Amino acid sequence: SQTIHQWPATLVQPVGSPLSLECTVEGTSNPNLYWYRQAAGRGLQLLFYSVGIGQISSEVPQNLSASRPQDRQFILSSKKLLLSDSGFYLCACDFGSGNTIYFGEGSWLTVV
Amino acid sequence: AQSVTQLGSHVSVSEGALVLLRCNYSSSVPPYLFWYVQYPNQGLQLLLKYTSAATLVKGINGFEAEFKKSETSFHLTKPSAHMSDAAEYFCAVSDMDGTSYGKLTFGQGTILTVHP
Repeated sequence: SQTIHQWPATLVQPVGSPLSLECTVEGTSNPNLYWYRQAAGRGLQLLFYSVGIGQISSEVPQNLSASRPQDRQFILSSKKLLLSDSGFYLCACDFGSGNTIYFGEGSWLTVV
Repeated sequence: AQSVTQLGSHVSVSEGALVLLRCNYSSSVPPYLFWYVQYPNQGLQLLLKYTSAATLVKGINGFEAEFKKSETSFHLTKPSAHMSDAAEYFCAVSDMDGTSYGKLTFGQGTILTVHP
């Protein structure tokens, strides 16, 4: 079956600490993968998307980076977190459809 | 550039009443249109989508939406609200020209409250 796994589900990190959020998908090959962020007052914002291994496109300048080391693995990282990085991070996948995106359960990040 | 406007950040209905959530879009090319629902502390669940087939689209949980090109609208409706429909609803658009890689532009969301 087609599933999206995200972890951790909840994370509280101090300012200046590193971040790693992981997403893996099952039930597909060579999908398009996405990281979205949902933050108060800023709605749902596309951060990164990837059309293949090692191929990352950034949609907005920010303190975050993304990597896709394997076909079905997508990682969101930061070397030094800012307070403004707090939010709900959603991994998404098109499962090869090219036009319909499905979302994981999300990861809550609070930077303190 | 694409954009989505959801009219009304909060909508309140009584159980059994009609649900109408409004969405208008702007796109320079034919669009794909989507409605997603988000329950508290959860990810987004796809309700329905328009991808150039029938203009009246039926989705899960009794919801449907009609694509009206002349009005650039894609309003979401349900004939009879249920308490379990209380959630936040997002309208989204992506381009149909094959270059957008499925990237979505979202509206700001509408919180639906259902009163007993």
